[in-house]
Amino acid sequence: GQNIDQPTEMTATEGAIVQINCTYQTSGFNGLFWYQQHAGEAPTFLSYNVLDGLEEKGRFSSFLSRSKGYSYLLLKELQMKDSASYLCAVRDGDYKLSFGAGTTVTVRA
Amino acid sequence: GAGVSQSPSNKVTEKGKDVELRCDPISGHTALYWYRQSLGQGLEFLIYFQGNSAPDKSGLPSDRFSAERTGGSVSTLTIQRTQQEDSAVYLCASRGGSGNTIYFGEGSWLTVV
Repeated sequence: GQNIDQPTEMTATEGAIVQINCTYQTSGFNGLFWYQQHAGEAPTFLSYNVLDGLEEKGRFSSFLSRSKGYSYLLLKELQMKDSASYLCAVRDGDYKLSFGAGTTVTVRA
Repeated sequence: GAGVSQSPSNKVTEKGKDVELRCDPISGHTALYWYRQSLGQGLEFLIYFQGNSAPDKSGLPSDRFSAERTGGSVSTLTIQRTQQEDSAVYLCASRGGSGNTIYFGEGSWLTVV
């Protein structure tokens, strides 16, 4: 099984940077995903890491360290629309994705 | 279709009734997932279909839950004799053959009263 931990809530100011950490334990790691989910909506794909290092995509970056079982999602230049839940998910084997409980980010003006 | 389509979007049912939830994946996607999301909880894996292979049913919480996928496309999740603890959002997702990204539908919000 999976054990995926991420903080429950984070608050930041518009224009600032927020880093959401995710730690995991898995028997057959095959990639880590970050999804964004606005209240009442479907989760939408943000990033995918399978090798160690940083993947940058616009204002969002995701980092992975497989040896430490650790990832973070970095959100820069925060905007009000970034207020959402951010889900860390680990793929074990070929297809099964296990999700953390999600981190609710609130962006304040 | 353009995205994963689920119906109904909302369903209120009485305890003990059966419900059927439908998922129409992205056209051409061979992999299909069902997840459940309870209030304040993470997504819980229910079942996975891939082409004509036997589905992975390891996440189904009880024998009241079943799912099928006809013709390799549309899937139906059936919950028999619903209980209040079945109240949740049921999310369907699909993935293309060689892709990594899983695309989710808007979900079916089930309330058992």
